[in-house]
Amino acid sequence: QVQLVESGGGVVQPGTSLRLSCAASGFTFSYSPMHWVRQAPGKGLEWVALMSYDGNTKYVDSVKGRFTISRDNSKNTLHLQMNSLRAEDTAVYYCARGIYGSGSYKYLDYWGQGTLVTVSS
Amino acid sequence: QSVLTQPPSVSAAPGQKVTISCSGSSSNLGSNYVSWYQHLPGAAPKLLIYENNKRPSGIPDRFSGSKSGTSGSLGITGLQTGDEADYYCGTWDNSGFYAFGTGTKVTVL
Repeated sequence: QVQLVESGGGVVQPGTSLRLSCAASGFTFSYSPMHWVRQAPGKGLEWVALMSYDGNTKYVDSVKGRFTISRDNSKNTLHLQMNSLRAEDTAVYYCARGIYGSGSYKYLDYWGQGTLVTVSS
Repeated sequence: QSVLTQPPSVSAAPGQKVTISCSGSSSNLGSNYVSWYQHLPGAAPKLLIYENNKRPSGIPDRFSGSKSGTSGSLGITGLQTGDEADYYCGTWDNSGFYAFGTGTKVTVL
């Protein structure tokens, strides 16, 4: 069965960095687009970034230039490198498998349980 | 803020039906499929509906979806206390990002 397990969250100070990981199993990771989605306290879901199976990346405007999504297909692992963290980046971060077809990223069909990132001084 | 607008909350008695709307534009819902996600507190979000009206394996037929033009909707019939959750629509925006709706809290009275 498909499993996605996030790790790497924690409490960090503003301006510092953190690297999240997502260990995938139960499917052919290298063929799948992968997403990061976050939910700030009391807020809704916010899409953060995606990486296609062939390495193309997309980001929400608020993290462009600060966050980098990457993948290690040999280890079935997705990463999110987060630099210059701000208080407003505080959220639970989820990784999710994407489905692509007909020229668009259609939906996210499996999600991890999430990892909490708290940015506070 | 989100490019997809949903009502903040809907409610109904057990056994009744609720409908959640999702309003977008030509660059997102007008040209791409809508999907729906259920998010229970403390749990991973779950895909309920994909490609406008299809249900993944294991999702009961009490959940249904549709899309017309730049709007989508999710229907839940035979409402149960276990359906209390936040529900989000989602779609690809041709500007180059995946968009989630503002979210709707379903309350079973």
